[in-house]
Amino acid sequence: DADVTQTPRNRITKTGKRIMLECSQTKGHDRMYWYRQDPGLGLRLIYYSFDVKDINKGEISDGYSVSRQAQAKFSLSLESAIPNQTALYFCATSDLAGDTGELFFGEGSRLTVL
Amino acid sequence: RKEVEQDPGPFNVPEGATVAFNCTYSNSASQSFFWYRQDCRKEPKLLMSVYSSGNEDGRFTAQLNRASQYISLLIRDSKLSDSATYLCVVNPLDYTGGFKTIFGAGTRLFVKA
Repeated sequence: DADVTQTPRNRITKTGKRIMLECSQTKGHDRMYWYRQDPGLGLRLIYYSFDVKDINKGEISDGYSVSRQAQAKFSLSLESAIPNQTALYFCATSDLAGDTGELFFGEGSRLTVL
Repeated sequence: RKEVEQDPGPFNVPEGATVAFNCTYSNSASQSFFWYRQDCRKEPKLLMSVYSSGNEDGRFTAQLNRASQYISLLIRDSKLSDSATYLCVVNPLDYTGGFKTIFGAGTRLFVKA
C-alpha cells in the first residue's frame, strides 16, 4: 500500500460543483502539502500544513480551501469548481526537516472541470 | 523571470549516451537543491540531493554552481528506463519560517533503443 494515498484518483465534474480531494498518510510526518501540476508550469503549492493546528497559503490558494483533520489527513476543497482548475493534484508529506529534505508524494488526483 | 528555469526538452538520446540537464535559479540565497524524477502520469520521486561539492550516485552526477546560480544533472550510459521528466527543486532561505520549495517545470528525456 502507498504511504501517501489520495482519493479520488480521477474525477470529472461540472463548473460550480463542490469537490473534495482527500489525502491520508502512514509515514507519521507532521508536514503535509497540496500541489497542482499543469503542463509547462511545474508543481505549484496551493496550501501547506506544518502540524494539525497550522494551515498556510501557498502560491495559488485562491479558489481552494483545506482542512487538516488529523496528523495523517489533509483534504483539499474546491468550493465552486471552474474549468481552469482542471489539473493534476498531488498531496505530499515531509518530516520536520522538510525544508531541506525529501517530499513524499501521493499518486495524484486528476481533476477535470467541464 | 521564473524562479527556477529548466530547458523543457525533450531530449532524445540513444541508449548508452551521456546527457546533461541544467537548471538556473534566481534567488541567490537558495539553500538546498534537489533533482526529482517523474515518470509519465506518476508522482515525482526524489532522485538525488545536490551538494556544494558535487555528488555522484551510480550513473548520475549532480553539480552546483553557486556563482552562476545553476545546478546540473549528468546521466551517463543512458538506459531506456531513464526516460522520464527530471524536475529541478530549489529551497530558498526563508527567514519567516515559511515553506518555499520551488519546482522547475521539468526536462523531458526520451532514451531510444
